[in-house]
Amino acid sequence: AQSVSQHNHHVILSEAASLELGCNYSYGGTVNLFWYVQYPGQHLQLLLKYFSGDPLVKGIKGFEAEFIKSKFSFNLRKPSVQWSDTAEYFCAVKKSSGDKLTFGTGTRLAVRP
Amino acid sequence: SAVISQKPSRDICQRGTSLTIQCQVDSQVTMMFWYRQQPGQSLTLIATANQGSEATYESGFVIDKFPISRPNLTFSTLTVSNMSPEDSSIYLCSVEAPRAVETQYFGPGTRLLVL
Repeated sequence: AQSVSQHNHHVILSEAASLELGCNYSYGGTVNLFWYVQYPGQHLQLLLKYFSGDPLVKGIKGFEAEFIKSKFSFNLRKPSVQWSDTAEYFCAVKKSSGDKLTFGTGTRLAVRP
Repeated sequence: SAVISQKPSRDICQRGTSLTIQCQVDSQVTMMFWYRQQPGQSLTLIATANQGSEATYESGFVIDKFPISRPNLTFSTLTVSNMSPEDSSIYLCSVEAPRAVETQYFGPGTRLLVL
């Protein structure tokens, strides 16, 4: 069965610091990749997604992610975080059409003002 | 994207009782899903709610415990039956948006506490 690993469970950064959250998946075939964010007290929102094409995808709020097929990775990045980026971030993978979305365990990001 | 609402937003229930959670979408969708997010854990898919047929359950989840209805393309319910404290969790409805194939959107969730 496919699995998704997020190695950073808790990350604490100061404002303006750069962010990179790791995501690795176990499936070797074609996948669709997603990052979701859950701000405190809010519901899960789609941050960005990758299906095909340019492996560097840009999402909302200045986030981007890079798909590296050889490393089975889809790391999330942001050059300069803000206090409002404090949230929990989930990586998710879907093997193919009709297959289920598998989530990583999530990374809690706290940004100090 | 799709706008998804859930009722109730939260509830506190006694063990042995059942709770039905409603999910309403603002547009017709083919795929609807129910997830559970236990405290401190990630999201786990309970089942896929199929319109006009029985739901498809994931390993570890059964219809007797989590009966699901899907009477039309904009509405679904999930019932948590014979609850125990271990059922305390956030239950989320999710849909695959009609104009964003393969992309799932999530409702606000129902926070359930079982005493």
